[in-house]
Amino acid sequence: EDQVTQSPEALRLQEGESSSLNCSYTVSGLRGLFWYRQDPGKGPEFLFTLYSAGEEKEKERLKATLTKKESFLHITAPKPEDSATYLCAVLRRGKSTFGDGTTLTVKP
Amino acid sequence: NAGVTQTPKFQVLKTGQSMTLQCAQDMNHEYMSWYRQDPGMGLRLIHYSVGAGITDQGEVPNGYNVSRSTTEDFPLRLLSAAPSQTSVYFCASSYGDRRKTEAFFGQGTRLTVV
Repeated sequence: EDQVTQSPEALRLQEGESSSLNCSYTVSGLRGLFWYRQDPGKGPEFLFTLYSAGEEKEKERLKATLTKKESFLHITAPKPEDSATYLCAVLRRGKSTFGDGTTLTVKP
Repeated sequence: NAGVTQTPKFQVLKTGQSMTLQCAQDMNHEYMSWYRQDPGMGLRLIHYSVGAGITDQGEVPNGYNVSRSTTEDFPLRLLSAAPSQTSVYFCASSYGDRRKTEAFFGQGTRLTVV
């Protein structure tokens, strides 16, 4: 059975304080690992897809990396508007499995 | 672009009632899925479809039915609502292509069963 575990559950940062979110996974035949951002009361919004170990993707203050067992979402110099829940998911044969998410709060 | 449209946005049901949550997408996506999200948790897959006429069960399928008669629509039916089905429901769609598999989500349906 596919499993996705995210840590920490919650993360509080000061504005400008860089950190990383972790997503560890167990899946055979991985077709992709996804990062989504979810704001309160809204559906998840796509951030990145990573397909193979060693791959990296960047968007503004976010950078996602992938190894054979885990993915990291690095947040550099975060701003209050980066506050959200970040979800990780793995895709196999049309079926996505999500982690429980990390809720990030960035204080000004 | 409408993207993924879910209706209704809010619904209150009495225990034992049935209803259908609607989901429609206008992006010609092959894959569609239904998830439920409980407070403080991630998304759990209820049912999914890889194309019209093809559906399969996810992690938590009991108490729900789906059908996919067209590419655009993927309704979720609650057969006999129970308080344990109180949750926020999200519909998602995506391409089946190897390099275009990110999902697009609707805004959710907040369901309360009393």
